Amino acid sequence: DTAVSQTPKYLVTQMGNDKSIKCEQNLGHDTMYWYKQDSKKFLKIMFSYNNKELIINETVPNRFSPKSPDKAHLNLHINSLELGDSAVYFCASTNWDSSYEQYFGPGTRLTVT
Amino acid sequence: DAKTTQPNSMESNEEEPVHLPCNHSTISGTDYIHWYRQLPSQGPEYVIHGLTSNVNNRMASLAIAEDRKSSTLILHRATLRDAAVYYCIPTFSGNTPLVFGKGTRLSVIA
Repeated sequence: DTAVSQTPKYLVTQMGNDKSIKCEQNLGHDTMYWYKQDSKKFLKIMFSYNNKELIINETVPNRFSPKSPDKAHLNLHINSLELGDSAVYFCASTNWDSSYEQYFGPGTRLTVT
Repeated sequence: DAKTTQPNSMESNEEEPVHLPCNHSTISGTDYIHWYRQLPSQGPEYVIHGLTSNVNNRMASLAIAEDRKSSTLILHRATLRDAAVYYCIPTFSGNTPLVFGKGTRLSVIA
């Protein structure tokens, strides 16, 4: 059973399109994150949600809109895709009060052409 | 966020111990030292964490300097599966968004 899953695994699209990436965790966690790993392999936090509420937005362009329909899901919608959005996007989850580690998904490789 | 310094890369022979160092001289007194690793084409995974005392788990050991300005992740017997980028991350708690540095790329030679 996959703890943190993401769909799709690969996404190739053209500039200007709108796309979504989905994340689901079956660990019963209440906190979820989106991280971005760029071409230079730097991993950076984008968003953090606790109990479906946004708690951290790290100066991400408003073309990126996360949505958490419930505690087990955190989706990322991206409008008007740009070349610079090409990256690997990782979802992660944890328990706010009781966990010392974050569990990461396998990543979604987004390529914008 | 505490700044960390790690070697860009290290190499080890299979089944030998590996000591991965990390300097974090500006670490806050309340920050834990977390280690994560990222295997090729996978998401990061937690390895170990500690505050002041040395720690052991099934994956590795963590040795923390007495002044907490540095730490060393110890893999007791490196396997090919341990080839990954290893990140040391000072962070207040497990729910704090992780600040990844460049990490150390470990190569394991058969």
